[in-house]
Amino acid sequence: SQQGEEDPQALSIQEGENATMNCSYKTSINNLQWYRQNSGRGLVHLILIRSNEREKHSGRLRVTLDTSKKSSSLLITASRAADTASYFCAAPSGGYQKVTFGTGTKLQVIP
Amino acid sequence: NAGVMQNPRHLVRRRGQEARLRCSPMKGHSHVYWYRQLPEEGLKFMVYLQKENIIDESGMPKERFSAEFPKEGPSILRIQQVVRGDSAAYFCASNGGSGEPQHFGDGTRLSIL
Repeated sequence: SQQGEEDPQALSIQEGENATMNCSYKTSINNLQWYRQNSGRGLVHLILIRSNEREKHSGRLRVTLDTSKKSSSLLITASRAADTASYFCAAPSGGYQKVTFGTGTKLQVIP
Repeated sequence: NAGVMQNPRHLVRRRGQEARLRCSPMKGHSHVYWYRQLPEEGLKFMVYLQKENIIDESGMPKERFSAEFPKEGPSILRIQQVVRGDSAAYFCASNGGSGEPQHFGDGTRLSIL
């Protein structure tokens, strides 16, 4: 079973709109990480939020974490065409903090 | 300040041949992870290595697949007697300690004829 599962599977928005993606996980975590993958490339780490944090900002990104619901959300404000990519969450767990990825949210930003 | 380097970027093999995928982790990183990705899917964990040690190979098929991370040189993912189903993108990632964000290479796209 995946430790991080993203929702929705796909999202299509107009440039300038906000995009919200959600992530659910199963076991207790120390931190949760969001990554982006452009087509044909490897994943790029975007932001990490620790289990004792509720919200974190980085530029146009805002991440929230609700440990009681075992869920996180990634908000991209004022989206740009360059934000078109797949977004994955990852929640390290277990003895050596094994990371498993979900199937991602495929975001398309239409210019 | 190079990131994670994978080579080759593309590899074509015929059924029954061997495929060797190389990964040089980011400078200073001693933890390496290999993942496999099929089109339109997420990354499937294969194996986690530290220098000269396999920590977790629970995602790696028991037969034909092996991985190593020697004291000197890159990490190698080796697939023997490849079959069509091995066609995928294989990604390597590294970090300085478990739980830290992982830095990914751009992958090796393996195609089996």
